[in-house]
Amino acid sequence: DQQVKQNSPSLSVQEGRISILNCDYTNSMFDYFLWYKKYPAEGPTFLISISSIKDKNEDGRFTVFLNKSAKHLSLHIVPSQPGDSAVYFCAALSTVSARQLTFGSGTQLTVLP
Amino acid sequence: NAGVTQTPKFQVLKTGQSMTLQCAQDMNHNSMYWYRQDPGMGLRLIYYSASEGTTDKGEVPNGYNVSRLNKREFSLRLESAAPSQTSVYFCASSEWRNTEAFFGQGTRLTVV
Repeated sequence: DQQVKQNSPSLSVQEGRISILNCDYTNSMFDYFLWYKKYPAEGPTFLISISSIKDKNEDGRFTVFLNKSAKHLSLHIVPSQPGDSAVYFCAALSTVSARQLTFGSGTQLTVLP
Repeated sequence: NAGVTQTPKFQVLKTGQSMTLQCAQDMNHNSMYWYRQDPGMGLRLIYYSASEGTTDKGEVPNGYNVSRLNKREFSLRLESAAPSQTSVYFCASSEWRNTEAFFGQGTRLTVV
């Protein structure tokens, strides 16, 4: 019963173009969402987050969009760079319950030079 | 500025052997976590410690025990390793349980 789903295991994008990574969730109690980036042989690193009271959060080249009615969020990277090639994990939690971070299965992004 | 430090980085165990994975953080965080990462399954929570002196089960606790030794350290013990426990293990910490977590570099464990 995956509560956070990333349906695309992999994505390839040309350098300079936009990368869009998608994530769906099923638990309506989730009210805080995060994206982590993971390089091989390293731990995940926090990238960007969004609270359910917002529908967009931007940090430099990274923007996260949240559509609560569709229980869907997406991460946009513009412009994509080869150094962005990594596995991206979507995660969610409920700030009012005892639930801990629940992760999706990840999407391998490859940015082609 | 070490952040979260895990030891060892690699380990091979025989079925039935025991071992303890160590984790320490220097960010004065209250909450600490142990996750495992398996192909196609993301990161799954094994155990967590919301604050010093407390521990709770996560999604996949069977076959594991934990100890929150003090505010800095949180260890994960496999009493009798099984091949199904072959995985990459990550320790993480956060200021409180509902804030973003910082991860260690991982321990790659193989049980043969």
